[in-house]
Amino acid sequence: AQSVSQHNHHVILSEAASLELGCNYSYGGTVNLFWYVQYPGQHLQLLLKYFSGDPLVKGIKGFEAEFIKSKFSFNLRKPSVQWSDTAEYFCAVNGNTDKLIFGTGTRLQVFP
Amino acid sequence: DTAVSQTPKYLVTQMGNDKSIKCEQNLGHDTMYWYKQDSKKFLKIMFSYNNKELIINETVPNRFSPKSPDKAHLNLHINSLELGDSAVYFCASSLVGNSYEQYFGPGTRLTVT
Repeated sequence: AQSVSQHNHHVILSEAASLELGCNYSYGGTVNLFWYVQYPGQHLQLLLKYFSGDPLVKGIKGFEAEFIKSKFSFNLRKPSVQWSDTAEYFCAVNGNTDKLIFGTGTRLQVFP
Repeated sequence: DTAVSQTPKYLVTQMGNDKSIKCEQNLGHDTMYWYKQDSKKFLKIMFSYNNKELIINETVPNRFSPKSPDKAHLNLHINSLELGDSAVYFCASSLVGNSYEQYFGPGTRLTVT
């Protein structure tokens, strides 16, 4: 069965610090990988996605993620966070169906 | 231009009541979903419909019944509400085919007292 692990449950950073959020998945076949963000009180928005090709994908708002197949990982990064990045971040995966499996989320707090 | 809309945004009701949440998408997508987000922010899929047909039906109590009158709408009806049903329910939609990117609605916060 597919599963997604996000090991960082709560991350606290100061503005301008670098960010890396971990995401590992469990699935034997070809996967599509996503990072969604949920700002306080809002709905989920897609940050970036990986289907195939270049394993380093760039998303909105300066975020990027790297797919490392050998490690079953899809970590999210941002070189310099801003206060406005405070949100909940969800990694998600699907295989050959449209059923999205979400990780438990990482709460990011950025202090000015 | 709201892509995926849900009504109501907030719903407070008592145990035992029956309630419905409506979802509409204007993206021309074939597939629609319902997700439940619990108090710990964990998101789990409940149902998905493709062109009005039920595709995914996770382990959800029979009290939950989705209804899709057309491919732009997917409503969720909940009978005999229980305290544990309190959550935020998100509707989403996507195209089927090359891309499985899902677009989410704003959510409906259901509180059962």
